[in-house]
Amino acid sequence: DAGVTQSPTHLIKTRGQQVTLRCSPKSGHDTVSWYQQALGQGPQFIFQYYEEEERQRGNFPDRFSGHQFPNYSSELNVNALLLGDSALYLCASSFGDGYYGYTFGSGTRLTVV
Amino acid sequence: EDQVTQSPEALRLQEGESSSLNCSYTVSGLRGLFWYRQDPGKGPEFLFTLYSAGEEKEKERLKATLTKKESFLHITAPKPEDSATYLCAVQGSSNTGKLIFGQGTTLQVKP
Repeated sequence: DAGVTQSPTHLIKTRGQQVTLRCSPKSGHDTVSWYQQALGQGPQFIFQYYEEEERQRGNFPDRFSGHQFPNYSSELNVNALLLGDSALYLCASSFGDGYYGYTFGSGTRLTVV
Repeated sequence: EDQVTQSPEALRLQEGESSSLNCSYTVSGLRGLFWYRQDPGKGPEFLFTLYSAGEEKEKERLKATLTKKESFLHITAPKPEDSATYLCAVQGSSNTGKLIFGQGTTLQVKP
């Protein structure tokens, strides 16, 4: 049973560029959440997608946007990259609002230079 | 505002030396408290979910407990392979869609 799959695993971008990260949820899960984890910190919630709509959003600027497709997979887009966007981006999938738990992917390491 | 604080930030143990990690939280209506293990450069790996005060769960050398204000992760006779960062997170009733994480406790177990 495949867990949460994220791609790419590593990415290097230049300031001002745009990036798209991808996530396939665990089989049977219909909800995808995205988190940003800076080095030495706990993950911070970016937003959650359910039924192809953004259901909840954390304290991140509009440069961060997302999408969920009919097959429940999701994309995270970040525009106008800043050096401070360098982090591990984690995708977590769940059934519904995650009351029974979340499964995390291995993440995408984004480096902005 | 929902908040999670973990202590200590770092912990070094000798193999076989038992200890506990603390997770203090403030949340408006706890729906669940989650413990995860994270290895360097990897995503968090699920360990336990606790839903109400007094609840306890065990898995191998780990035991998680919950009170109304904090949770403990007890590690009994740890082994070097238990070395990792342990993350605590809460889900509150006012923000059902997200987890609020602490900063983690990095555990190193020396042989």
